[in-house]
Amino acid sequence: KAGVTQTPRYLIKTRGQQVTLSCSPISGHRSVSWYQQTPGQGLQFLFEYFSETQRNKGNFPGRFSGRQFSNSRSEMNVSTLELGDSALYLCASSLSGTALYEQYFGPGTRLTVT
Amino acid sequence: AQSVTQLDSQVPVFEEAPVELRCNYSSSVSVYLFWYVQYPNQGLQLLLKYLSGSTLVKGINGFEAEFNKSQTSFHLRKPSVHISDTAEYFCAVSAPEERDDKIIFGKGTRLHILP
Repeated sequence: KAGVTQTPRYLIKTRGQQVTLSCSPISGHRSVSWYQQTPGQGLQFLFEYFSETQRNKGNFPGRFSGRQFSNSRSEMNVSTLELGDSALYLCASSLSGTALYEQYFGPGTRLTVT
Repeated sequence: AQSVTQLDSQVPVFEEAPVELRCNYSSSVSVYLFWYVQYPNQGLQLLLKYLSGSTLVKGINGFEAEFNKSQTSFHLRKPSVHISDTAEYFCAVSAPEERDDKIIFGKGTRLHILP
């Protein structure tokens, strides 16, 4: 069974630009969560989508948004990029949206904002 | 709201020695607890989880953790580490009774295995 895939793996953007990251979950998984990982803050929860609906949201500004498609693939968008948005963005998929089901993480997208 | 604190940002330990990575949580309701491992340039992988029942949980790669409700702790242990255990370890908590039951991660502990 293929794992969680994230594209692109690396990305360099300039301040003020916008970026879209993609996550393809494991086949059959309906929940996709997004996290931002930085050395100072660790993993911070961005949002979770389940069956195309945002189910949970972390404490990030509105510049961070996401969506999920009918095939469970998810995208995350960051508009008006800031230097502080440089981070590893991880997505994780699971069968359901509760903690009962193991989350499987992708390798992440490394975003650098210059 | 739940929170989790990993007391050590880095832990050096000699190969074949035992190790304990400490984790404390805070919650007013019952919790699920997790340990994840992140190897260099990879995503996170679940090591073990506590949902209910026996407080001693065994996971993959010889790791185990003990849930201690009175001390609100969930420390991770391994009796003998190997060089391949070099990684970052994350403790995480969720509150299944809460409507907002997202998983909250600690800031991680880097395990350095010394030859």
